[in-house]
Amino acid sequence: DAGVTQSPTHLIKTRGQQVTLRCSPKSGHDTVSWYQQALGQGPQFIFQYYEEEERQRGNFPDRFSGHQFPNYSSELNVNALLLGDSALYLCASSLALGAQETQYFGPGTRLLVL
Amino acid sequence: AQSVTQLDSQVPVFEEAPVELRCNYSSSVSVYLFWYVQYPNQGLQLLLKYLSGSTLVKGINGFEAEFNKSQTSFHLRKPSVHISDTAEYFCAVSASNDYKLSFGAGTTVTVRA
Repeated sequence: DAGVTQSPTHLIKTRGQQVTLRCSPKSGHDTVSWYQQALGQGPQFIFQYYEEEERQRGNFPDRFSGHQFPNYSSELNVNALLLGDSALYLCASSLALGAQETQYFGPGTRLLVL
Repeated sequence: AQSVTQLDSQVPVFEEAPVELRCNYSSSVSVYLFWYVQYPNQGLQLLLKYLSGSTLVKGINGFEAEFNKSQTSFHLRKPSVHISDTAEYFCAVSASNDYKLSFGAGTTVTVRA
């Protein structure tokens, strides 16, 4: 049973560019959350998708947007990249039953903005 | 809103010694509590979680944690560590009426022979 997978593993972009990160959830999971982990810090919640809708959003600007597909996979898009967007982006999947459900994390995509 | 404070940023420990990682949280509503481990260049793996019931929670790899509501703490312990326990450990909280996890800044555990 495959766990959460993310692509690409690493990415280098320049300021002002746009990036798309992809996530496939664990088999049987219908909810996908995205987190940003800056170097030396804990992950910060970006948003969560359920039934192809953004269900909850953290304190991130509108430059961060996402999408969930009918097969529950998800994309994270970041526009107008800033140097401060350099981070490890983690995708987590879970069941939609509530906050008590365990979130299973993928290995992350490491984004470097130059 | 919920927040988590991990009181130790780095914990060096000798192999086979016990370790305790401290975590305090704040919330105005009831919460669920989690400990995750992150090995180098990997994602996060759940060690254990507290939802309700017994305040002593046992997890994988010999870890356990104790929920203390009066002190708003959820400290993680292991009686005897191995070299392979070298990793970053994150405490996280989720409110019962919320979906997101709020993480602490992490504690780096370095186990030495």
